Amino acid sequence: AQKITQTQPGMFVQEKEAVTLDCTYDTSDPSYGLFWYKQPSSGEMIFLIYQGSYDQQNATEGRYSLNFQKARKSANLVISASQLGDSAMYFCAMREGGTGNQFYFGTGTSLTVIP
Amino acid sequence: DGGITQSPKYLFRKEGQNVTLSCEQNLNHDAMYWYRQDPGQGLRLIYYSQIVNDFQKGDIAEGYSVSREKKESFPLTVTSAQKNPTAFYLCASSIPSNPAYGYTFGSGTRLTVV
Repeated sequence: AQKITQTQPGMFVQEKEAVTLDCTYDTSDPSYGLFWYKQPSSGEMIFLIYQGSYDQQNATEGRYSLNFQKARKSANLVISASQLGDSAMYFCAMREGGTGNQFYFGTGTSLTVIP
Repeated sequence: DGGITQSPKYLFRKEGQNVTLSCEQNLNHDAMYWYRQDPGQGLRLIYYSQIVNDFQKGDIAEGYSVSREKKESFPLTVTSAQKNPTAFYLCASSIPSNPAYGYTFGSGTRLTVV
């Protein structure tokens, strides 16, 4: 089974609007971390936001927030007030506490912000 | 500033050649990783190392080799046995066995077979 599933290959959003990028995960480990990375066309991977499995509140970092629904095993990224510079690939990732040796990445969502 | 340096940024390989991609970090991280990314695709793990002089194969290790002689360095060799090496290669480092700690990535190397 896929550890991380991103079901939206491509998304479009109007500038200044909010957009939600979906991510579901699969693990039986009670301790895990969820991460979102942004990859612009230049290729570097930029860390956006982190959510721990024991965190009671949803993580927020500026215009980014993570909608964490533990029972649903869902960790959606919400970008508010989209900007043209937000156009990029976005990857959801998980790291389990038991093994902790590697990340599991989703296949990514390509976001395009329309002026 | 601490970080990961990958070099070169662009690399061209002739058929049948071995090439080595450099990855150096000054973050004092024990764990280092190599990923391959094909156009429009996600990341696939090639090799990883949690400690000096030790490394493990990832999902697509065939045709690649690595070494970890120093904590700071984790070079990747793309051998002639790798039949389709054209891809974007990302190196990352982290603290092992800590789910709260993310990856730090290098800026990547684009390898093209000519």
